[in-house]
Amino acid sequence: DQQVKQNSPSLSVQEGRISILNCDYTNSMFDYFLWYKKYPAEGPTFLISISSIKDKNEDGRFTVFLNKSAKHLSLHIVPSQPGDSAVYFCAASDTGQGAQKLVFGQGTRLTINP
Amino acid sequence: DAGITQSPRHKVTETGTPVTLRCHQTENHRYMYWYRQDPGHGLRLIHYSYGVKDTDKGEVSDGYSVSRSKTEDFLLTLESATSSQTSVYFCAISGGSSYEQYFGPGTRLTVT
Repeated sequence: DQQVKQNSPSLSVQEGRISILNCDYTNSMFDYFLWYKKYPAEGPTFLISISSIKDKNEDGRFTVFLNKSAKHLSLHIVPSQPGDSAVYFCAASDTGQGAQKLVFGQGTRLTINP
Repeated sequence: DAGITQSPRHKVTETGTPVTLRCHQTENHRYMYWYRQDPGHGLRLIHYSYGVKDTDKGEVSDGYSVSRSKTEDFLLTLESATSSQTSVYFCAISGGSSYEQYFGPGTRLTVT
C-alpha cells in the first residue's frame, strides 16, 4: 500500500517556464512533508519542507503548497532552469513517532528543455 | 553539506555471501537510517537507529540486520545476500530540532 504517490513518472518543461510536481498521500497522521532532488549517482539532497500547520512555504524559486483536505502537495519551480533537471521525490513523516521516519513517493523525473 | 560517507561505493557479490555496508557521520546526529532505492519504489526504509545500540525495523527489514556501536557509525549487514537485494543503498542522518534528513552518496550493490 503506497502511502505517498507521485503519479507522474516524468515531466518535461521548457526553460524559464513553471514546473509543477505533484504528490498525494493517504495517511492522515502525516504532518511534515519534504521534497528532495536527486542527480544520477548522488544521494538525494533536501530542497524544501512544509509543516501541516502551513499551506505554503517559499524558498527562492521553490514553493511548496499543501492541501490537507485533499491530502495533496505540490512543488512549484519558477523559473525552471536546466540545472533543475533531476528526479524529485516527495516524502512525508508522522513526527509524533519520535524517530523522523520518512515515507517516499516513487519520484518524478523532471527534464528542463532549452 | 552534511558529513556523511558510505563504504564501499560499489560492490559486486555472489548469492549467499555476507555483505556489510558502512555509514559514517561526522555531525554527531542522533538518528541514522538505511534506505534502499529501486525503480518504481522510490526510497524505502530498511532500519533506523535512534541512539547507540538502539535500532528498529523499517518497512523492508527482512534479510537485513544493523548495528550501531558508536554514534558516528551505522552498519547494514546482509547475512546471506540474494539477487532481490541488488539495489542502491543510502544512509541518512537527522538530529536536533530539524526533521530533515541528509543523505550519503549511496552504495550500489549487485548480487549475482
